[in-house]
This record gives sequence, C-alpha cells and structure tokens, in this order.
Amino acid sequence: EAQVTQNPRYLITVTGKKLTVTCSQNMNHEYMSWYRQDPGLGLRQIYYSMNVEVTDKGDVPEGYKVSRKEKRNFPLILESPSPNQTSLYFCASSLAGYYNEQFFGPGTRLTVL
Amino acid sequence: QKEVEQNSGPLSVPEGAIASLNCTYSDRGSQSFFWYRQYSGKSPELIMFIYSNGDKEDGRFTAQLNKASQYVSLLIRDSQPSDSATYLCAVKDYGQNFVFGPGTRLSVLP
Repeated sequence: EAQVTQNPRYLITVTGKKLTVTCSQNMNHEYMSWYRQDPGLGLRQIYYSMNVEVTDKGDVPEGYKVSRKEKRNFPLILESPSPNQTSLYFCASSLAGYYNEQFFGPGTRLTVL
Repeated sequence: QKEVEQNSGPLSVPEGAIASLNCTYSDRGSQSFFWYRQYSGKSPELIMFIYSNGDKEDGRFTAQLNKASQYVSLLIRDSQPSDSATYLCAVKDYGQNFVFGPGTRLSVLP
C-alpha cells in the first residue's frame, strides 16, 4: 500500500531530551516536507526537501533539524525540545513536478513538558 | 513572503445548500492549486486540484481558478453534515514547494 508513515504517533517527553520523529514513504517521491499544526495557526512548514541531500527551511525552522540521506526517509530531529514545540506534526511527500499532489502521514502528537 | 489567504470561518451552511470557499494567493508564479479537507486531529486529504483557468468539476465539488485575479475557490453542492471539516487551500509555487493557507472551517447544519 502506498503510504507515508510516521513514528511515533504519540510522544510525551521532557524539556531538553533529544528526540527524532521518523518519516518514511514508499512511493519513490522526490519531495518531502514537515509541518506543524497548532490550533488557529493552520499548517506551518518546518523544512522541506526536493531530493536526497537537498533540504531547505520552511517558515518555522528554529529548533528543528532534518536530514535526507535516503530518498524514502526524512527524519525530524529536535535537539533540545522545549514546551513551545508541543504540537501536531505531519510529514508529507510528493512526486516532483507541478501537477502532483502531496500525500500526508498520519501525524505525530508531541507533548514537551 | 509568499502568502495564501483564506477566511478562517466558521462558515455555516444548512444541509443541502452550496458551500463556497475562497482562497487568494500572492505569488503570480504559482503553478497549481490544491484543496484539502481535514477533520479534527486527522491528516489532510486531497479533494481536488486545478491548474488551468476556469472550472473543474468532480462529483459535488467544483474548483474554480482565476490566475489574473490570483483567486481560487471550491464549491460544494448539496452539502452534507459529513462535509463539516477544515478546508485547506494549497499552492505549488514556481520552485515546486507547497504553500498552505490557514484553512476555512465549514459547518454543515442538519
């Protein structure tokens, strides 16, 4: 089944404890992206990647890192999480080209205490 | 900064009516336009996309694009309570990155 998977789906952690949220897609998509969603603020892009080893900042990159060493994987790293990073996170992917939709993962609900 | 704007709502319509959702975008280089539906706590799912001026119909949904006015809309005919959700407008810019609007919350009243 073609899909975008994220792990973990739910995570409660404490301030300063490094964590990684994994994202993987099995559709051979070039483009991948991370978003966070907070009540009343819509989807805000954190980082995106056009292909392997190519990443760019989105609107809210502070406090996050990403890497794209393989085409299928795009992990999101929080080196020192803080409570203001408590949010619902979505990973998404798309084929390159203008006329291809973006597919979303199921989301990761992160709480930082 | 590239922007996509939508009325946040809530937009309330009675069951069976037409719901009209609007979106404007700032980047004239935008190439394609997508409408996603998102239920609370769930991931967005694609309803339809459009890239040529004019109308595109898919079942009860019609997308309309006017590139000169930098305006895209989504009409939902015969609205059902199950259509109650947040509708996200997304634009794919010239660099092939997606830019999302803040979403419009639609409530269809039985």
